[in-house]
Amino acid sequence: AQTVTQSQPEMSVQEAETVTLSCTYDTSESNYYLFWYKQPPSRQMILVIRQEAYKQQNATENRFSVNFQKAAKSFSLKISDSQLGDTAMYFCAFTNTGNQFYFGTGTSLTVIP
Amino acid sequence: GAGVSQSPSNKVTEKGKDVELRCDPISGHTALYWYRQSLGQGLEFLIYFQGNSAPDKSGLPSDRFSAERTGGSVSTLTIQRTQQEDSAVYLCASSSDREMHNEQFFGPGTRLTVL
Repeated sequence: AQTVTQSQPEMSVQEAETVTLSCTYDTSESNYYLFWYKQPPSRQMILVIRQEAYKQQNATENRFSVNFQKAAKSFSLKISDSQLGDTAMYFCAFTNTGNQFYFGTGTSLTVIP
Repeated sequence: GAGVSQSPSNKVTEKGKDVELRCDPISGHTALYWYRQSLGQGLEFLIYFQGNSAPDKSGLPSDRFSAERTGGSVSTLTIQRTQQEDSAVYLCASSSDREMHNEQFFGPGTRLTVL
């Protein structure tokens, strides 16, 4: 069975600073996708970034980047130059089929002005 | 508005009543997913549809839960004889197809409260 673990229920960061959110997962599959989704207080989830397991290069989307360590089954999200709009719940997710997605329990991030 | 919509946004019901939750996916999206988000929990996968077909219903928590999709579009999640533990936010998402790299587009959810 696939599992996704986010061990940091809450985090905070000063505006303009950098924060890293942790995610680990467990799978015996060799190819899969990992995602970070953001859920602002308005509740609608949006995709932040995704990474294919076969790609060694870490994905980057503007201020968001990942540190993907396949052997360690770790997929952390780094947010640089944090902005007030980054305040949200962040969920790490995994799929190896596209049929079923496994989500972690989330990290609540607060950006402090 | 081309996003995923869900109705109602909030539903309060009494224990034992049936409820029906609706999801309108993005037009043309063949894959549709239902999740349950309980307080302090992550998203619990319930069921997915490819077209009108739901190949795997094992994620549904009990036989009180059922879902259908018609015309490859609108989906309804029905909970019969609701229990207090069914209280949660029910999220629907759609994607262009079920390829694993595809982004899921989420609706705003339905907050269900069972008294």
